Amino acid sequence: ETGVTQSPTHLIKTRGQQVTLRCSSQSGHNTVSWYQQALGQGPQFIFQYYREEENGRGNFPPRFSGLQFPNYSSELNVNALELDDSALYLCASRAILTSTDTQYFGPGTRLTVL
Amino acid sequence: AQKITQTQPGMFVQEKEAVTLDCTYDTSDQSYGLFWYKQPSSGEMIFLIYQGSYDEQNATEGRYSLNFQKARKSANLVISASQLGDSAMYFCAISRGSTLGRLYFGRGTQLTVWP
Repeated sequence: ETGVTQSPTHLIKTRGQQVTLRCSSQSGHNTVSWYQQALGQGPQFIFQYYREEENGRGNFPPRFSGLQFPNYSSELNVNALELDDSALYLCASRAILTSTDTQYFGPGTRLTVL
Repeated sequence: AQKITQTQPGMFVQEKEAVTLDCTYDTSDQSYGLFWYKQPSSGEMIFLIYQGSYDEQNATEGRYSLNFQKARKSANLVISASQLGDSAMYFCAISRGSTLGRLYFGRGTQLTVWP
């Protein structure tokens, strides 16, 4: 158990809809990252939040957005869903300025876009 | 750019035997971290082991050890005494300190342990 939780576990949406995924970080962790993992691929970095601000972003369009709350929980929002957005979405938390920089992942949300 | 290469799409090992999963990386940074994660079919990424670029000794965590060859940019994972529960997807990843922990993953190796 990593202490990182995500909801919902599974989600089915149709093209053009909007979706919000949620993540609760491990206690004491102040940084959260989101990753997209397409079938058969390694996870791809979407963005990272520290102190409620985005401070790093991967190669994803602006319709992918996020929020981090004071209690270090986080949301990933995706607007105008496309079929290629179907993937496993993973959030990971870490405590910044630790010696190992290790990120701990939640169980993921599996999104299917029809 | 950072790049992780895992050349073994699948590996098979008999229970109680050791297995090595290969990982090579490409980075121009002097300071970086190397990670291995295990992903069972349930989807959760489970942290296994970490190696810092300045660590002179190979990292070990229980049955897991990381064979770090810096000059060859290689960070192979060795699992000793394989167990049936080790069957999963294994990912190698790299992070740079300057990008605050962003992980770059390889495509993974599917390990199957048979009795």
